Amino acid sequence: DTGVSQNPRHKITKRGQNVTFRCDPISEHNRLYWYRQTLGQGPEFLTYFQNEAQLEKSRLLSDRFSAERPKGSFSTLEIQRTEQGDSAMYLCASTPGQGTYEQYFGPGTRLTVT
Amino acid sequence: SQQGEEDPQALSIQEGENATMNCSYKTSINNLQWYRQNSGRGLVHLILIRSNEREKHSGRLRVTLDTSKKSSSLLITASRAADTASYFCATDHSGGYQKVTFGTGTKLQVIP
Repeated sequence: DTGVSQNPRHKITKRGQNVTFRCDPISEHNRLYWYRQTLGQGPEFLTYFQNEAQLEKSRLLSDRFSAERPKGSFSTLEIQRTEQGDSAMYLCASTPGQGTYEQYFGPGTRLTVT
Repeated sequence: SQQGEEDPQALSIQEGENATMNCSYKTSINNLQWYRQNSGRGLVHLILIRSNEREKHSGRLRVTLDTSKKSSSLLITASRAADTASYFCATDHSGGYQKVTFGTGTKLQVIP
């Protein structure tokens, strides 16, 4: 069990470019969550997967954001046409499910849009 | 949107002292969790208290929950420099898939 991993750890991009982040959850964790965190705030829920099914998407997520979890393993979060307001830490977490509430977080991907 | 609100926003204490931080939330919950975040280790789960529990202990941590006041407190006893971090409460209002909503956090500094 190597924990939740996220790549890249840092991403600097110019406004208007597309970016994609990857999250590898703990193996056999069937629930996966994406959060966004800005400075001085707590993580804000973006979206959630149970296996490969995306079950909820926050209203925070504009149509420029899309997430996938093919085969119910790793997940990707893509932001198209990035804006400066997208600059934040993007966090991924997983849980085994079946009534286990503790979320295991990855180290995050820090996005800076210039 | 943030559901919980921690108080105080920042707290500075001497090593060995106790630290108390509070969390208030708006709507009824299934359970409440506390997480710690520092730059070195990211977000780490500390403790969970269910809506039908009033108090829970884990090592130097003590959590209380008052559902009538929609509030919780986290007490860290005999603080250490390594406890320096931000602490977040996270409330679960969901029907079953454990979607949690994080508060705004308390930034704790423990001075050696």
